[in-house]
Amino acid sequence: EAGVAQSPRYKIIEKRQSVAFWCNPISGHATLYWYQQILGQGPKLLIQFQNNGVVDDSQLPKDRFSAERLKGVDSTLKIQPAKLEDSAVYLCASSLGGSRKETQYFGPGTRLLVL
Amino acid sequence: EDQVTQSPEALRLQEGESSSLNCSYTVSGLRGLFWYRQDPGKGPEFLFTLYSAGEEKEKERLKATLTKKESFLHITAPKPEDSATYLCAVHSGGYNKLIFGAGTRLAVHP
Repeated sequence: EAGVAQSPRYKIIEKRQSVAFWCNPISGHATLYWYQQILGQGPKLLIQFQNNGVVDDSQLPKDRFSAERLKGVDSTLKIQPAKLEDSAVYLCASSLGGSRKETQYFGPGTRLLVL
Repeated sequence: EDQVTQSPEALRLQEGESSSLNCSYTVSGLRGLFWYRQDPGKGPEFLFTLYSAGEEKEKERLKATLTKKESFLHITAPKPEDSATYLCAVHSGGYNKLIFGAGTRLAVHP
C-alpha cells in the first residue's frame, strides 16, 4: 500500500516570497492533516480536513497560511508571504476518518528554509 | 491545557544497554497515547497506540506501557539501528487532534 506522498521534499525561498506544498494521502483516507515541525520540537497541527471540509484550523496563521482540499483527496498548503520563522518541516498525515481513536500516518515532509 | 512532556531530551546508550524513555501527559480524558519513531529527514513512523492504564504493547526490542499520568517506552538490548527520535503524542479534544511532545533523541553506539 502506497504511503502519504508529499512534494517538493525541499524548498528554499526568501522572506516575503510565496510557497506551496502538495500532499496526496493514503488511498481511501478521508481525514488529512497538515503539521508544522520546527527543529527540535514535536509536530504541531495546523489544519485538519474531513473529506473536503475543515474540521480544525485553530492554529493556522490565517493572515499568511491557507490550505485547500477541493476534491476530498489531495491537498495544498500555501504560505504567502513567508517569514523567517516559517522555516520548518511541513508534514502531511492521513487517517481513515471513521473514529476518534485512529492512527495517523505521516508523509516524509517538506523541508522549508526561509532566508 | 493539554500537555505532553518527554524525558530525557537525549539519551546515549551502548549497544545492548537497556533503558526507558518517559512521556508524562496532562489531558482531559485520555482517548489514546501514541508512540512514533522519526529518523533524520523522514516523517514520523507509527509504533504503538495505548488506550487505558495498565495496557502494554510490544514490538521487537520495544515495549510501551501506560499509567494514568505517564507512558514508558522500554528498549531492551538496543542495536545501533534503534537510533532515532522517539515521539509521544496524545489525542486532545476536537476530532483526532494529536498533541506531541518534543521527543527523545536516542543514539545507540556499537
